[in-house]
Order: sequence, then structure tokens, then C-alpha cells
Amino acid sequence: NAGVMQNPRHLVRRRGQEARLRCSPMKGHSHVYWYRQLPEEGLKFMVYLQKENIIDESGMPKERFSAEFPKEGPSILRIQQVVRGDSAAYFCASSPDSPGEYFGPGTRLTVT
Amino acid sequence: AQKITQTQPGMFVQEKEAVTLDCTYDTSDQSYGLFWYKQPSSGEMIFLIYQGSYDEQNATEGRYSLNFQKARKSTNLVISASQLGDSAMYFCAIYRGGATNKLIFGTGTLLAVQP
Repeated sequence: NAGVMQNPRHLVRRRGQEARLRCSPMKGHSHVYWYRQLPEEGLKFMVYLQKENIIDESGMPKERFSAEFPKEGPSILRIQQVVRGDSAAYFCASSPDSPGEYFGPGTRLTVT
Repeated sequence: AQKITQTQPGMFVQEKEAVTLDCTYDTSDQSYGLFWYKQPSSGEMIFLIYQGSYDEQNATEGRYSLNFQKARKSTNLVISASQLGDSAMYFCAIYRGGATNKLIFGTGTLLAVQP
């Protein structure tokens, strides 16, 4: 049973470009969470999704960021018109119900 | 609102000795869960141990154990017989169920195990 998968592992974008981060949850998990880790900080919750629904997006910046978890396929975190401050590690976690231990390896986004 | 505090930015420990990493939390919920994660320099988040608020016994998992003091709202991680591979960042997190289904993380403690 493969763990939570994220790709790409590293992503470099120039300012103003779009970044798309993908997360495939563990098999049988219908809950997905995205977290952001800025350099030298802990993880901060961004959004919680279930299949085709956004349950809690209280941690998402109001502009440029969006997330989806379609019926088929991975969850996508999309950042439009990236700025240098978006450089961070983005982690996805999945669970069958409550959150917990199943984190992906993260995507390290660098904005140049 | 819930809050997690890790007051030790960094810790040193000699190999084979035990070390305690502190974590205090603030919540008005009766039901909650507490997690510890390890983040090595490679960056992944590794789940270590979990304590439920209604668990009467301290959680243990191999060399990891929790000193859970509910009245003091603290859940300190004890690593016994430290190994060089234990050198990493350690994060404490609190989970609140219900509609707000997310983890709130502390700022972490950087542990360095010295030979």
C-alpha cells in the first residue's frame, strides 16, 4: 500500500507563473489536508478537502490560492502568479476520517 | 482557539542518553488528540506517537513515550537511548475533531544527538 504521494518533489517557478502541486492520498483515504511550512517554521494548515468538497479553507490566502479534490484523480493545490513569499514546503496529508499520521514527502516550491 | 507551545528551540543530548522535549497546549475542548512528528533534514514528516485526551495511560511506541499531564496541559516527548539518527526537528501538534478537522503545530524543537 503506497503512502501519500506528492509531485513534483521540487518545483521552481519565476515570479508571476503558476504552480500546481499534486497529492495522491493513500488508497481508501477520502480526506486530504494541505499544510505549508515556511523556512524555519512549523506547518500551518491551509485547507481540508473531501472528495469534490472543500470542508475548511480557513488557512488559505484569500487570493491566488485554490485547491480541489476531484472525484477522480489527485488533489491539486494551485498557486497563481507566484511571488517570492510563496517559497515554502507544501505538505499533503490524508486520512480515512480524522487527521493524523499520513503525510506525503512534501513539495518544495522555490520562486525566483 | 487552540494553541501549541514548544519552548525549546534547540536541545543537545549525548548518544544513548534520554531526552525530554516539552510541549504545552491550550484548548477549551474536552476531546482532542496530541501528535508528535519528526522531521529530519531530508524534510519528510514522520509520525511518532499519538495521545488521545481520554487515554488514561501515557502512550508509548518503542523508544518514544509521552509524559501526558492533562491538568497541566502538557505532553512531553521522551526519547530513550538516543541515537545519532534521532537528530532532527520535532513537532508537537494538537488535533481538534468535528468540523474543524485539522492539526495545529508548534514551532518545533531541533534536537542534536552528540556522539
